[in-house]
Amino acid sequence: KQEVTQIPAALSVPEGENLVLNCSFTDSAIYNLQWFRQDPGKGLTSLLLIQSSQREQTSGRLNASLDKSSGRSTLYIAASQPGDSATYLCAVTGQAGTALIFGKGTTLSVSS
Amino acid sequence: ETGVTQTPRHLVMGMTNKKSLKCEQHLGHNAMYWYKQSAKKPLELMFVYNFKEQTENNSVPSRFSPECPNSSHLFLHLHTLQPEDSALYLCASSHSGYEQYFGPGTRLTVT
Repeated sequence: KQEVTQIPAALSVPEGENLVLNCSFTDSAIYNLQWFRQDPGKGLTSLLLIQSSQREQTSGRLNASLDKSSGRSTLYIAASQPGDSATYLCAVTGQAGTALIFGKGTTLSVSS
Repeated sequence: ETGVTQTPRHLVMGMTNKKSLKCEQHLGHNAMYWYKQSAKKPLELMFVYNFKEQTENNSVPSRFSPECPNSSHLFLHLHTLQPEDSALYLCASSHSGYEQYFGPGTRLTVT
């Protein structure tokens, strides 16, 4: 059974720092991996999608990498801002059209 | 309206009530999903529909009854719920298993 773990559970940084969020999964046979952002009490906003054949994806200040063989992904946030404060969720799917398996998330707080 | 919409956004119901949650996607996707997010637990799948057919049921109690009349609409019918069913219910859609897009969720409180 696929399990997704995110470390750390919470992270506090001053504005301007570069930071890395970690995600690991137990079954390397994934179809794709998605990173999401969730603000308190709100739905999920998709940040980046990495297909299993890809190594990384970039969007603005965000860069996500995938090492499928070791079951790891990282989300790199450059020059963090207070507006980046949210919970970041990592999720994987095993086949097209099937459910995402989520980690518990990393709650990020960026102070000005 | 664009994206994935959910109504109502907030719902308070008693354990003997019957209510329904509605999800609509305006993205032309062929797969729709219900997820549940409880406090201190990871988001977990409830149901998956592909081309209107249910393809996954994650051992969800029968007091939750999904309905997918077409590829754009998804309902979750609720009856005889328990207080532990209070949670954020999220709907998502995707095209052929690619990126999933989520709605804003319905915050359900069972009293």
